[in-house]
Amino acid sequence: GQQVMQIPQYQHVQEGEDFTTYCNSSTTLSNIQWYKQRPGGHPVFLIQLVKSGEVKKQKRLTFQFGEAKKNSSLHITATQTTDVGTYFCAGKGNQFYFGTGTSLTVIP
Amino acid sequence: SQTIHQWPATLVQPVGSPLSLECTVEGTSNPNLYWYRQAAGRGLQLLFYSVGIGQISSEVPQNLSASRPQDRQFILSSKKLLLSDSGFYLCAWSGAVRVREQYFGPGTRLTVT
Repeated sequence: GQQVMQIPQYQHVQEGEDFTTYCNSSTTLSNIQWYKQRPGGHPVFLIQLVKSGEVKKQKRLTFQFGEAKKNSSLHITATQTTDVGTYFCAGKGNQFYFGTGTSLTVIP
Repeated sequence: SQTIHQWPATLVQPVGSPLSLECTVEGTSNPNLYWYRQAAGRGLQLLFYSVGIGQISSEVPQNLSASRPQDRQFILSSKKLLLSDSGFYLCAWSGAVRVREQYFGPGTRLTVT
């Protein structure tokens, strides 16, 4: 069946370092969404990508959708302590699935 | 603007007891509604989704059921809770057209003892 995997599962970075999480699907996706969940909180929608090869930026966050529409990445430049949380991708292939998530810890 | 409410925020229930979690959405009509469960430190497992009143799709066979008695009300129930039902239960809504982003409620943290 369809799977959406994210790597790494956990990432610890020093404040100011960059961070990247990768999302890989076993099937082609019609779109990809990214969410952020702060510790103890609920997922919050960040962005949606639809087009093959699409790149979008939100301040220090850069989102990419792969050419084959089977993978995506989220890159954070110069992390801050406010970036702490778990980042989920989500996409629709045969069905809509959330990825396994990457938990980011930022060490001050 | 749209808002989504869930209650209660936390719940501790003994094994074998019934469960009823409620979710309501304001400020939108005919939303798609979703119930997710998240185990500690884990991802989101879709339990049920609904595209309209009385229309429920179950994603995972389990000890739970869902109902949508009104357009903006979604209820998650169980007749007899199991220890494995513990987790963080999240309700979400999205627009009904195409694949839209989902907006999550604050969640209910359920502990079955």
